[in-house]
Amino acid sequence: ILNVEQSPQSLHVQEGDSTNFTCSFPSSNFYALHWYRWETAKSPEALFVMTLNGDEKKKGRISATLNTKEGYSYLYIKGSQPEDSATYLCAPAGGGADGLTFGKGTHLIIQP
Amino acid sequence: DAGVIQSPRHEVTEMGQEVTLRCKPISGHDYLFWYRQTMMRGLELLIYFNNNVPIDDSGMPEDRFSAKMPNASFSTLKIQPSEPRDSAVYFCASSRGRSSYEQYFGPGTRLTVT
Repeated sequence: ILNVEQSPQSLHVQEGDSTNFTCSFPSSNFYALHWYRWETAKSPEALFVMTLNGDEKKKGRISATLNTKEGYSYLYIKGSQPEDSATYLCAPAGGGADGLTFGKGTHLIIQP
Repeated sequence: DAGVIQSPRHEVTEMGQEVTLRCKPISGHDYLFWYRQTMMRGLELLIYFNNNVPIDDSGMPEDRFSAKMPNASFSTLKIQPSEPRDSAVYFCASSRGRSSYEQYFGPGTRLTVT
């Protein structure tokens, strides 16, 4: 089981502002890093899967970067909208295992 | 595709009863995962299968939990006997390949053991 830290635990952001949050994970035996978006009363939905150091992926206003050497990933949301309100989970895979270890998530609330 | 299908969506049972949760993965996906979500521990992996074979069951909490995948389109997670601390939301997820592929989650089964 990997030690995964996400910060902050929760975040209130004004609509239209940009924001970012962090996922930290062990850098040894790294294989892949997943980001999921989880809305209340729904199921987690995949945002990104990244495998290479320096990877940067983008989907609309959301982007993510990966640093496998120091063991962290950032998720950025540009121009936050109310529909961005959700819990954002990161999950590394490593050590030869295909199962994911999820962090506790960052709970994002966008205030109109 | 209908996505990952789980049944039942809600289950309420009494302590000591057997509970069976069911999952149908997305067709063509070779990997199937069972997760449990609780307030205290978050989303934790219980077991996963590759081509119907259990690969890692180290997350299964104790012998009361068992999982099977008799074919590529069906898996079960059984708890016998159930206890109140098993109350949680149980998710099934599937993916096309190893951990560099995204996982698709089912709607979950909310289990309440009284």
